Amino acid sequence: DGGITQSPKYLFRKEGQNVTLSCEQNLNHDAMYWYRQDPGQGLRLIYYSQIVNDFQKGDIAEGYSVSREKKESFPLTVTSAQKNPTAFYLCASEGRANSGELFFGEGSRLTVL
Amino acid sequence: AQSVTQPDIHITVSEGASLELRCNYSYGATPYLFWYVQSPGQGLQLLLKYFSGDTLVQGIKGFEAEFKRSQSSFNLRKPSVHWSDAAEYFCAVGRNSGYALNFGKGTSLLVTP
Repeated sequence: DGGITQSPKYLFRKEGQNVTLSCEQNLNHDAMYWYRQDPGQGLRLIYYSQIVNDFQKGDIAEGYSVSREKKESFPLTVTSAQKNPTAFYLCASEGRANSGELFFGEGSRLTVL
Repeated sequence: AQSVTQPDIHITVSEGASLELRCNYSYGATPYLFWYVQSPGQGLQLLLKYFSGDTLVQGIKGFEAEFKRSQSSFNLRKPSVHWSDAAEYFCAVGRNSGYALNFGKGTSLLVTP
């Protein structure tokens, strides 16, 4: 079945370590997004990519990095520079350009110990 | 910047009762508006969207929403709630740039027997 696959589902990290969250899609969508979700905060945009080899910062990009080397893949690295990385991370792709119709993965929960 | 406000953090309704979740937007022109639903520990799923035209839009799972420009609102409704509707509901608005969405902070729905 087509969809968005995020891994790992749960991840624990020690302070000072970088960690990479995987996001893969087989929907043939051009645009992909990373959101961060904290309790009571809704979703906040970290990075987005409209096309391969191109990406832009969202509202809270500091301490994060991404790459888009393949259409299917949009990994997110949470670096040690991110002050408060414990959160639920959601990856999404967009069905039609600028449609706002996002297809989400099941998320990755990162806990920093 | 475009934004949405969901005034209710938590809503409790009895199974079989009607439901209305509130969403107010801040945007000068006609906004692109969305409602998404999130089951616990999962990603989000699109319920319905409004771009233009008929101000009453139908979505999946028996939900509908009405765009009211005079009230800057896009409230979500369902005539009879089922226990499976218990979830977090997010209103979202499209951005000026056409890329990504701004999400509200969500309303958590509890359904009682």
